[in-house]
Amino acid sequence: GEDVEQSLFLSVREGDSSVINCTYTDSSSTYLYWYKQEPGAGLQLLTYIFSNMDMKQDQRLTVLLNKKDKHLSLRIADTQTGDSAIYFCAEKYGQAGTALIFGKGTTLSVSS
Amino acid sequence: DSGVTQTPKHLITATGQRVTLRCSPRSGDLSVYWYQQSLDQGLQFLIQYYNGEERAKGNILERFSAQQFPDLHSELNLSSLELGDSALYFCASSEGLAGGREQFFGPGTRLTVL
Repeated sequence: GEDVEQSLFLSVREGDSSVINCTYTDSSSTYLYWYKQEPGAGLQLLTYIFSNMDMKQDQRLTVLLNKKDKHLSLRIADTQTGDSAIYFCAEKYGQAGTALIFGKGTTLSVSS
Repeated sequence: DSGVTQTPKHLITATGQRVTLRCSPRSGDLSVYWYQQSLDQGLQFLIQYYNGEERAKGNILERFSAQQFPDLHSELNLSSLELGDSALYFCASSEGLAGGREQFFGPGTRLTVL
């Protein structure tokens, strides 16, 4: 079945870049997403990329997609302590491409 | 604020009981999705409704059911509750049947079964 894999933890210093990686299995996925979850909060959509794109940049966020390897990454430039959260990679799946399959999430810890 | 609202925020109940979780989608969104987030299973898709009709099912237990009403709000009913049902339940909405580009999530309902 479909599965999305992420590393569980990443620790960086404030001001450094963070790179969170994800691999997915459904080659027919049309959109891939990054969500952020802060402690005790819901899921915030950070950005998404359409499957025919290689890269998408949105302010401090850069998403890279390698369809051949089914690899997705999220780069956060100039990481701040406020970026500390759990980051989820997700892909669409299903006959109509409706629901999302999520990875287990990567906990990003930013130290000052 | 995503525009998706969920009530209640917290729910504490006992094993064997039944609860109802409520979700109001963003204005104009016709699709509602329910997800369960637990420590061992992570975030899992349960069920989707579109304009009142069930459209897709994920890992939803038979003890769980959902519906979407004419005003597009949705309810998730959990019955014969077990300790393992303790989790955060999210509702999400999107404008179209196929989810469009974005699904927006509500703040979640934290269910604790004692």
